[in-house]
Amino acid sequence: GQNIDQPTEMTATEGAIVQINCTYQTSGFNGLFWYQQHAGEAPTFLSYNVLDGLEEKGRFSSFLSRSKGYSYLLLKELQMKDSASYLCAATDSNYQLIWGAGTKLIIKP
Amino acid sequence: GAVVSQHPSWVICKSGTSVKIECRSLDFQATTMFWYRQFPKQSLMLMATSNEGSKATYEQGVEKDKFLINHASLTLSTLTVTSAHPEDSSFYICSARGNGDYEQYFGPGTRLTVT
Repeated sequence: GQNIDQPTEMTATEGAIVQINCTYQTSGFNGLFWYQQHAGEAPTFLSYNVLDGLEEKGRFSSFLSRSKGYSYLLLKELQMKDSASYLCAATDSNYQLIWGAGTKLIIKP
Repeated sequence: GAVVSQHPSWVICKSGTSVKIECRSLDFQATTMFWYRQFPKQSLMLMATSNEGSKATYEQGVEKDKFLINHASLTLSTLTVTSAHPEDSSFYICSARGNGDYEQYFGPGTRLTVT
């Protein structure tokens, strides 16, 4: 079957670093997306990893290990506005998105 | 960047009536459009995938006669919720993907409340 696992909720402190993990099992795999979703809004694109390794984009970085079926999203210098849900989604062999349930990130002052 | 719009952004309707939601790709041709539903505090649930000019493919458990999807052009798809009931109240989000593209571009969503 196809499955995406990520933690339900995480809490971190403003200015700190947090890593949100995601493991996946899909029938075929083409790449992995990370989206940010604020309450009541649609998801917004953060990153797309196809190859193994770390991709850095400002305060956000995303890592992929295809052999381990594992990815993480790293958020640095956390700001209060980073409080949101972070959705991990893998693309299967048909480029369909298989969604995780999302990780609610709570930032405390 | 690619922009997708949805209309209306929110709608309230009475039980038993039908509601149509439009999804438009504003600056690219969307060969594939996706319709999602999201209940409070839950993740996105894919309802159906539609390719321009062909019938939509519905996910298991989604009633195709209740949720009518039309993708008649490369820039417009519509979702009609027929005979709406309070349990259909949800956040409906569309996304669109161009030919050969890997990324789905999301619309802002439509919040439906059925009274």
